[in-house]
Amino acid sequence: AQTVTQSQPEMSVQEAETVTLSCTYDTSENNYYLFWYKQPPSRQMILVIRQEAYKQQNATENRFSVNFQKAAKSFSLKISDSQLGDTAMYFCAFMKQRNTPLVFGKGTRLSVIA
Amino acid sequence: EAQVTQNPRYLITVTGKKLTVTCSQNMNHEYMSWYRQDPGLGLRQIYYSMNVEVTDKGDVPEGYKVSRKEKRNFPLILESPSPNQTSLYFCASSPAGLRNGYYGYTFGSGTRLTVV
Repeated sequence: AQTVTQSQPEMSVQEAETVTLSCTYDTSENNYYLFWYKQPPSRQMILVIRQEAYKQQNATENRFSVNFQKAAKSFSLKISDSQLGDTAMYFCAFMKQRNTPLVFGKGTRLSVIA
Repeated sequence: EAQVTQNPRYLITVTGKKLTVTCSQNMNHEYMSWYRQDPGLGLRQIYYSMNVEVTDKGDVPEGYKVSRKEKRNFPLILESPSPNQTSLYFCASSPAGLRNGYYGYTFGSGTRLTVV
């Protein structure tokens, strides 16, 4: 069974600084999907960024980028120019193939400090 | 607006009183799923449905039922709720098929359930 590990339960960063959230996963699959979701205090689950394992290029969405290391089974999220609105719980998630269960990590609570 | 709608957002109930949490999506998605979120455990899948009249158990199905009579609706039923089902519940949907740019699930806004 696949597992997802987020080793940092809580992190904090100064506004405008850069922070990296770590995620590792365990799978024997070769092709799969990886996601980062943001959950602000409103509880909404918001997709931040996604990566398809067959693509070697790291995904980027504005201030958010990932460092995908397939051999190491690592999928870290980098947030540049952190903003107060980035304060949230962040979940890393793995999906074996389309429309199969998302396997979530336990989350990292990020606080952006003014 | 494309969305997944859950109701209610908050619910407090007593042990043993049957309840239903509704979920509806307007994106014509084939796949729908229910998750529960508990502190320190992340999100875990309860049930999922690949299409109308096709449902299957996820990782934590005990104490829950679902039905999929229409493509857009996927209600979660707790026949006899117990305090250990106090949790935050999410419904999610996703398109099937080989489409470019697969973005995973669209989530509803969540239902906070408390069973006393």
